[in-house]
Amino acid sequence: NAGVTQTPKFRVLKTGQSMTLLCAQDMNHEYMYWYRQDPGMGLRLIHYSVGEGTTAKGEVPDGYNVSRLKKQNFLLGLESAAPSQTSVYFCASSTHMRETQYFGPGTRLLVL
Amino acid sequence: SQQGEEDPQALSIQEGENATMNCSYKTSINNLQWYRQNSGRGLVHLILIRSNEREKHSGRLRVTLDTSKKSSSLLITASRAADTASYFCATEPLGGANSKLTFGKGITLSVRP
Repeated sequence: NAGVTQTPKFRVLKTGQSMTLLCAQDMNHEYMYWYRQDPGMGLRLIHYSVGEGTTAKGEVPDGYNVSRLKKQNFLLGLESAAPSQTSVYFCASSTHMRETQYFGPGTRLLVL
Repeated sequence: SQQGEEDPQALSIQEGENATMNCSYKTSINNLQWYRQNSGRGLVHLILIRSNEREKHSGRLRVTLDTSKKSSSLLITASRAADTASYFCATEPLGGANSKLTFGKGITLSVRP
């Protein structure tokens, strides 16, 4: 039982490049989330999903897109990376929005 | 918008001492959760306390919730060096079925051996 996994662990991008972060969970959770964590800012919700085929905007959605084609996977895309998107990205999942969230190990992204 | 705010921002104690961390929030909540984050890792859930509960225990952890003061505290008794981490409170505001969890900025706890 791997829980929540994220790939890649670390990535360096140049401004304007695109990339996709993959999150996978094996707990059959309906809800999945993408957060970013910046120093002094805590965790901020980017996008979330309440089930397969659904997505919704969180607190800081601009510059990101997401897809949930399969229940176990939640993809976060950056179409044109900017230095302001340098951050640590965490994926999480839960059985319901108000219940315990299980986090992945994070992806460190550096945009030059 | 930030719902929960932790206090203090940083705490340094000696191994064996108790650590008390506080969280205050602005609007009424359904539940409040505490998470721990070790350096370079993801967050790990510690305790969830619902708005109709006043106190919960889990091993060396004790969480209290005072809804009249809109505050919660996390007590770690007999701290160990391995408790060194950042601790976050997260609140779920009252609202619809999809009220979102909002995390505070965290408390950095250092436990000196």
